[in-house]
Amino acid sequence: DAMVIQNPRYQVTQFGKPVTLSCSQTLNHNVMYWYQQKSSQAPKLLFHYYDKDFNNEADTPDNFQSRRPNTSFCFLDIRSPGLGDAAMYLCATSRDGTGVNEQYFGPGTRLTVT
Amino acid sequence: GQNIDQPTEMTATEGAIVQINCTYQTSGFNGLFWYQQHAGEAPTFLSYNVLDGLEEKGRFSSFLSRSKGYSYLLLKELQMKDSASYLCAVRDLNYGQNFVFGPGTRLSVLP
Repeated sequence: DAMVIQNPRYQVTQFGKPVTLSCSQTLNHNVMYWYQQKSSQAPKLLFHYYDKDFNNEADTPDNFQSRRPNTSFCFLDIRSPGLGDAAMYLCATSRDGTGVNEQYFGPGTRLTVT
Repeated sequence: GQNIDQPTEMTATEGAIVQINCTYQTSGFNGLFWYQQHAGEAPTFLSYNVLDGLEEKGRFSSFLSRSKGYSYLLLKELQMKDSASYLCAVRDLNYGQNFVFGPGTRLSVLP
């Protein structure tokens, strides 16, 4: 089945140790998003790619970076994780991010920072 | 800016009907989406409204009034598996057509 896949599902990293989360999709969608979701809060958009065009949210910390080497894959790099970065990280895709096109979410990666 | 409000928590009984409200303020409205999210899992798409009125999909219906900045999700014949958070998300033209999510409503269905 076509889907959005995130690896790993659970990631533990140490304070200040760089970590990379990955997302892949078989939907061939143009748009890929990264959200941060903390407990009992709404998903917060960090950035998104429309094809190769990168769009960063104004309040996304510089500590967070992203790469999209091809249509199928997108990575979230956290250069120096702090305790406050512990959260669920959700990857989502959309056909073209407009109109009726909903976002399809992956299962998420739960990041723990020790 | 954008502002989306939902009740934090609701409780209902199995077999009953529950209505989850969402109010929003945005100048670039271009559609409203409802998502279901079980604890520790990804949100899954439930419904989409862009015009005023009711959209029905089986046990779930969603209503939109653009003039009032108001939507609701109606769940009928509640089942235990409907216990989840329900997220209202507005697509905003002034936000690059990205979603702005509400805080979510945590629904507990009791036997």
